[in-house]
Amino acid sequence: AQKITQTQPGMFVQEKEAVTLDCTYDTSDPSYGLFWYKQPSSGEMIFLIYQGSYDQQNATEGRYSLNFQKARKSANLVISASQLGDSAMYFCAMSQSGGSYIPTFGRGTSLIVHP
Amino acid sequence: EPEVTQTPSHQVTQMGQEVILRCVPISNHLYFYWYRQILGQKVEFLVSFYNNEISEKSEIFDDQFSVERPDGSNFTLKIRSTKLEDSAMYFCASSERRAGTGRNQPQHFGDGTRLSIL
Repeated sequence: AQKITQTQPGMFVQEKEAVTLDCTYDTSDPSYGLFWYKQPSSGEMIFLIYQGSYDQQNATEGRYSLNFQKARKSANLVISASQLGDSAMYFCAMSQSGGSYIPTFGRGTSLIVHP
Repeated sequence: EPEVTQTPSHQVTQMGQEVILRCVPISNHLYFYWYRQILGQKVEFLVSFYNNEISEKSEIFDDQFSVERPDGSNFTLKIRSTKLEDSAMYFCASSERRAGTGRNQPQHFGDGTRLSIL
Protein backbone atom coordinates (compact mmCIF):
# COMPACT_ATOMS: atom_id res chain seq x y z
CA ALA A 1 0.00 0.00 0.00
CA GLN A 2 1.18 3.49 -0.74
CA LYS A 3 1.04 6.28 1.79
CA ILE A 4 1.70 9.99 1.64
CA THR A 5 2.36 12.05 4.76
CA GLN A 6 2.32 15.81 4.99
CA THR A 7 3.14 16.69 8.58
CA GLN A 8 2.64 20.44 8.39
CA PRO A 9 -1.04 21.36 8.54
CA GLY A 10 -0.17 25.05 8.22
CA MET A 11 2.83 27.13 7.27
CA PHE A 12 3.48 30.86 7.29
CA VAL A 13 6.11 32.68 5.25
CA GLN A 14 7.05 36.27 4.62
CA GLU A 15 6.63 37.54 1.10
CA LYS A 16 9.81 37.12 -1.00
CA GLU A 17 11.24 34.47 1.30
CA ALA A 18 11.61 30.79 0.46
CA VAL A 19 9.50 28.08 2.08
CA THR A 20 9.74 24.30 2.18
CA LEU A 21 6.66 22.11 2.38
CA ASP A 22 7.35 18.60 3.60
CA CYS A 23 6.17 15.38 2.05
CA THR A 24 7.23 11.84 2.92
CA TYR A 25 6.00 8.71 1.24
CA ASP A 26 6.03 5.00 1.73
CA THR A 27 6.10 2.49 -1.07
CA SER A 28 7.76 -0.81 -1.91
CA ASP A 29 7.47 -0.18 -5.64
CA PRO A 30 10.80 0.93 -7.17
CA SER A 31 9.01 2.87 -9.91
CA TYR A 32 6.80 5.72 -8.85
CA GLY A 33 6.00 9.34 -9.52
CA LEU A 34 5.57 12.21 -7.12
CA PHE A 35 3.39 15.22 -7.80
CA TRP A 36 2.61 18.50 -6.12
CA TYR A 37 -0.67 20.32 -6.63
CA LYS A 38 -1.80 23.76 -5.49
CA GLN A 39 -5.38 24.40 -4.44
CA PRO A 40 -6.25 28.09 -4.00
CA SER A 41 -9.25 29.16 -1.97
CA SER A 42 -11.31 29.10 -5.18
CA GLY A 43 -10.99 25.31 -5.09
CA GLU A 44 -9.35 24.27 -8.36
CA MET A 45 -6.42 21.86 -8.38
CA ILE A 46 -3.36 23.12 -10.22
CA PHE A 47 -0.49 20.82 -11.15
CA LEU A 48 2.88 22.28 -10.10
CA ILE A 49 5.70 19.79 -10.46
CA TYR A 50 6.54 16.14 -11.05
CA GLN A 51 9.45 13.92 -9.95
CA GLY A 52 10.00 10.40 -11.20
CA SER A 53 11.67 7.87 -8.95
CA TYR A 54 14.40 7.23 -11.51
CA ASP A 55 15.05 10.87 -12.28
CA GLN A 56 18.66 11.72 -11.52
CA GLN A 57 18.07 15.40 -10.95
CA ASN A 58 15.60 17.22 -8.76
CA ALA A 59 12.69 18.66 -10.69
CA THR A 60 12.37 22.41 -11.10
CA GLU A 61 9.56 24.51 -12.58
CA GLY A 62 10.12 28.23 -12.29
CA ARG A 63 9.97 29.16 -8.60
CA TYR A 64 9.08 25.59 -7.64
CA SER A 65 11.66 22.94 -7.00
CA LEU A 66 11.39 19.49 -5.54
CA ASN A 67 13.96 18.38 -2.99
CA PHE A 68 13.89 14.67 -3.71
CA GLN A 69 15.73 12.48 -1.20
CA LYS A 70 15.05 8.95 -2.31
CA ALA A 71 16.76 7.18 0.59
CA ARG A 72 14.71 9.19 3.06
CA LYS A 73 11.58 8.82 0.94
CA SER A 74 10.93 12.51 1.02
CA ALA A 75 9.84 14.88 -1.75
CA ASN A 76 9.69 18.34 -0.27
CA LEU A 77 8.42 21.27 -2.31
CA VAL A 78 10.51 24.42 -2.19
CA ILE A 79 8.92 27.69 -3.24
CA SER A 80 11.44 30.45 -3.73
CA ALA A 81 10.62 34.16 -3.51
CA SER A 82 7.13 33.62 -2.12
CA GLN A 83 4.33 35.76 -3.49
CA LEU A 84 0.98 36.64 -1.94
CA GLY A 85 -0.68 34.57 -4.64
CA ASP A 86 1.11 31.48 -3.35
CA SER A 87 -1.26 31.38 -0.39
CA ALA A 88 -3.14 28.11 -0.89
CA MET A 89 -3.39 24.48 0.09
CA TYR A 90 -0.60 22.32 -1.29
CA PHE A 91 -1.05 18.61 -1.85
CA CYS A 92 1.63 16.02 -2.40
CA ALA A 93 0.61 12.92 -4.36
CA MET A 94 2.26 9.69 -5.43
CA SER A 95 1.49 7.12 -8.05
CA GLN A 96 3.15 3.77 -8.63
CA SER A 97 3.85 2.08 -11.93
CA GLY A 98 3.14 -1.35 -10.53
CA GLY A 99 -0.19 -2.35 -9.04
CA SER A 100 -2.60 0.50 -8.55
CA TYR A 101 -1.30 3.50 -10.46
CA ILE A 102 -3.93 5.84 -9.09
CA PRO A 103 -2.26 8.79 -7.36
CA THR A 104 -2.77 8.94 -3.63
CA PHE A 105 -2.94 12.38 -2.07
CA GLY A 106 -1.64 13.61 1.25
CA ARG A 107 -3.79 15.66 3.60
CA GLY A 108 -2.28 18.91 2.40
CA THR A 109 -0.46 21.88 3.89
CA SER A 110 -2.04 25.30 4.12
CA LEU A 111 0.46 28.01 3.17
CA ILE A 112 -0.13 31.64 4.08
CA VAL A 113 2.18 34.28 2.66
CA HIS A 114 2.38 37.47 4.70
CA PRO A 115 3.13 40.83 3.08
CA GLU B 1 -3.69 25.93 -22.90
CA PRO B 2 -6.34 23.20 -23.04
CA GLU B 3 -8.14 22.55 -19.80
CA VAL B 4 -10.63 20.23 -18.17
CA THR B 5 -14.07 21.81 -17.89
CA GLN B 6 -16.63 20.89 -15.26
CA THR B 7 -20.27 21.89 -15.02
CA PRO B 8 -22.03 23.04 -12.98
CA SER B 9 -19.64 24.82 -10.64
CA HIS B 10 -22.13 24.44 -7.79
CA GLN B 11 -25.04 22.01 -7.50
CA VAL B 12 -27.59 22.09 -4.71
CA THR B 13 -29.83 19.03 -4.47
CA GLN B 14 -32.37 17.60 -2.08
CA MET B 15 -31.39 14.42 -0.29
CA GLY B 16 -32.58 11.36 -2.18
CA GLN B 17 -32.40 12.99 -5.59
CA GLU B 18 -30.10 11.99 -8.40
CA VAL B 19 -27.38 14.29 -9.68
CA ILE B 20 -25.22 14.19 -12.78
CA LEU B 21 -21.90 15.98 -12.74
CA ARG B 22 -20.43 16.76 -16.11
CA CYS B 23 -16.87 17.00 -17.32
CA VAL B 24 -15.20 17.70 -20.62
CA PRO B 25 -11.67 16.27 -20.47
CA ILE B 26 -8.81 17.58 -22.55
CA SER B 27 -9.44 16.38 -26.07
CA ASN B 28 -6.40 14.18 -26.67
CA HIS B 29 -6.46 12.61 -23.22
CA LEU B 30 -7.41 8.97 -22.91
CA TYR B 31 -7.67 8.45 -19.15
CA PHE B 32 -10.36 10.05 -17.05
CA TYR B 33 -10.88 10.20 -13.32
CA TRP B 34 -13.26 11.38 -10.67
CA TYR B 35 -12.14 12.45 -7.23
CA ARG B 36 -13.98 13.96 -4.34
CA GLN B 37 -12.87 16.23 -1.53
CA ILE B 38 -15.02 16.62 1.53
CA LEU B 39 -14.61 20.10 3.01
CA GLY B 40 -11.28 20.44 4.77
CA GLN B 41 -10.17 16.90 3.96
CA LYS B 42 -7.87 15.33 1.45
CA VAL B 43 -8.63 14.46 -2.13
CA GLU B 44 -10.04 10.93 -2.44
CA PHE B 45 -10.01 8.82 -5.57
CA LEU B 46 -13.35 7.52 -6.81
CA VAL B 47 -12.90 5.96 -10.24
CA SER B 48 -10.78 5.87 -13.34
CA PHE B 49 -12.03 5.26 -16.85
CA TYR B 50 -10.23 4.15 -19.97
CA ASN B 51 -11.34 2.75 -23.30
CA ASN B 52 -15.00 3.17 -22.39
CA GLU B 53 -14.83 1.16 -19.23
CA ILE B 54 -13.94 1.52 -15.58
CA SER B 55 -10.30 0.59 -15.08
CA GLU B 56 -10.15 1.06 -11.33
CA LYS B 57 -12.44 2.18 -8.55
CA SER B 58 -12.19 2.80 -4.83
CA GLU B 59 -14.31 1.51 -1.98
CA ILE B 60 -16.18 4.80 -2.03
CA PHE B 61 -17.43 4.12 -5.55
CA ASP B 62 -20.30 1.79 -4.70
CA ASP B 63 -23.57 1.07 -6.51
CA GLN B 64 -24.75 4.58 -5.80
CA PHE B 65 -22.26 5.90 -8.33
CA SER B 66 -21.87 5.38 -12.04
CA VAL B 67 -19.79 6.95 -14.79
CA GLU B 68 -20.43 7.30 -18.46
CA ARG B 69 -18.88 8.73 -21.56
CA PRO B 70 -22.03 9.36 -23.54
CA ASP B 71 -20.28 10.92 -26.52
CA GLY B 72 -16.79 11.77 -27.68
CA SER B 73 -16.30 14.67 -25.35
CA ASN B 74 -18.31 14.38 -22.14
CA PHE B 75 -17.53 12.29 -19.07
CA THR B 76 -20.23 12.16 -16.41
CA LEU B 77 -20.55 11.04 -12.82
CA LYS B 78 -24.04 10.07 -11.69
CA ILE B 79 -24.91 9.86 -8.02
CA ARG B 80 -28.20 8.17 -7.29
CA SER B 81 -30.28 8.71 -4.17
CA THR B 82 -27.93 11.32 -2.73
CA LYS B 83 -27.13 11.42 0.97
CA LEU B 84 -26.01 14.29 3.17
CA GLU B 85 -22.51 12.82 3.31
CA ASP B 86 -22.20 13.09 -0.46
CA SER B 87 -21.74 16.84 -0.01
CA ALA B 88 -18.24 17.55 -1.28
CA MET B 89 -16.21 19.05 -4.08
CA TYR B 90 -16.05 16.64 -6.98
CA PHE B 91 -13.09 16.88 -9.31
CA CYS B 92 -12.77 15.47 -12.77
CA ALA B 93 -9.28 14.88 -14.10
CA SER B 94 -7.76 13.57 -17.29
CA SER B 95 -4.35 12.46 -18.43
CA GLU B 96 -2.85 11.70 -21.80
CA ARG B 97 -1.41 8.45 -20.59
CA ARG B 98 -1.94 6.37 -17.49
CA ALA B 99 -1.28 8.66 -14.56
CA GLY B 100 2.17 8.40 -13.08
CA THR B 101 3.75 6.51 -15.95
CA GLY B 102 6.83 8.37 -16.98
CA ARG B 103 7.87 11.92 -16.91
CA ASN B 104 5.34 14.68 -16.88
CA GLN B 105 2.22 12.57 -16.93
CA PRO B 106 0.23 14.48 -14.42
CA GLN B 107 -3.49 14.49 -14.16
CA HIS B 108 -5.05 17.75 -15.22
CA PHE B 109 -7.89 18.69 -12.94
CA GLY B 110 -11.01 20.68 -13.62
CA ASP B 111 -12.12 23.44 -11.30
CA GLY B 112 -14.50 21.09 -9.52
CA THR B 113 -18.23 20.95 -8.85
CA ARG B 114 -19.28 21.81 -5.34
CA LEU B 115 -22.17 19.49 -4.48
CA SER B 116 -24.39 20.47 -1.58
CA ILE B 117 -27.02 18.01 -0.39
CA LEU B 118 -29.82 19.49 1.68
